[in-house]
Amino acid sequence: QVQLQESGPGLVKPSQTLSLTCTVSGGSISSGSYYWSWIRQPAGKGLEWIGRIYTSGSTNYNPSLKSRVTISVDTSKNQFSLKLSSVTAADTAVYYCARCVAVAGTDAFDIWGQGTMVTVSS
Amino acid sequence: SSELTQDPAVSVALGQTVRITCQGDSLRSYYASWYQQKPGQAPVLVIYGKNNRPSGIPDRFSGSSSGNTASLTITGAQAEDEADYYCNSRDSSGNHRVVFGGGTKLTVL
Repeated sequence: QVQLQESGPGLVKPSQTLSLTCTVSGGSISSGSYYWSWIRQPAGKGLEWIGRIYTSGSTNYNPSLKSRVTISVDTSKNQFSLKLSSVTAADTAVYYCARCVAVAGTDAFDIWGQGTMVTVSS
Repeated sequence: SSELTQDPAVSVALGQTVRITCQGDSLRSYYASWYQQKPGQAPVLVIYGKNNRPSGIPDRFSGSSSGNTASLTITGAQAEDEADYYCNSRDSSGNHRVVFGGGTKLTVL
């Protein structure tokens, strides 16, 4: 079965760029009609959708983050990545990668990574 | 509007039925999906679309929708159902984004 695993630095300095990678195992990132997404959750708060990429390379971003976010995909490595620039303490959160399927009139995140904690601090 | 509103907290007696709601304009155009999140764990999809359960989700979980409100119903709540529940849907404003509700903390008494 498909599994997702986030990786990347757990500590990022303010004003720098946060970079995370999600590795897809148990299946090809190119198979099926899926969007590969990033979602974050500050401690004690709710889920915030960051954006998604289709294997064609087309992307959609949360308008509130769009100016700072880049999501890319590397099908040869079965990975997709997140870059968030000019980070501040407000970007401290658990970051999840997730597979999204457009089905039955909704967008459902059916597989999630375990999440990785990223702290923005000097 | 592109926001989804959930009650912050709901409680239910063990074995009773509870409904968790999610309101938003986008729900007039799209169905919601629902997620269960326990402390320290990633969310788990429990309901998607009109009323579809992924494999492995107990049939005490069901979904419904009317107007701008989507509902997740747990019939015969169990202690292990105590968790945070989130809804999401597509944004209907045309910018191809996904929106999440603020979450509901369910306490099983």
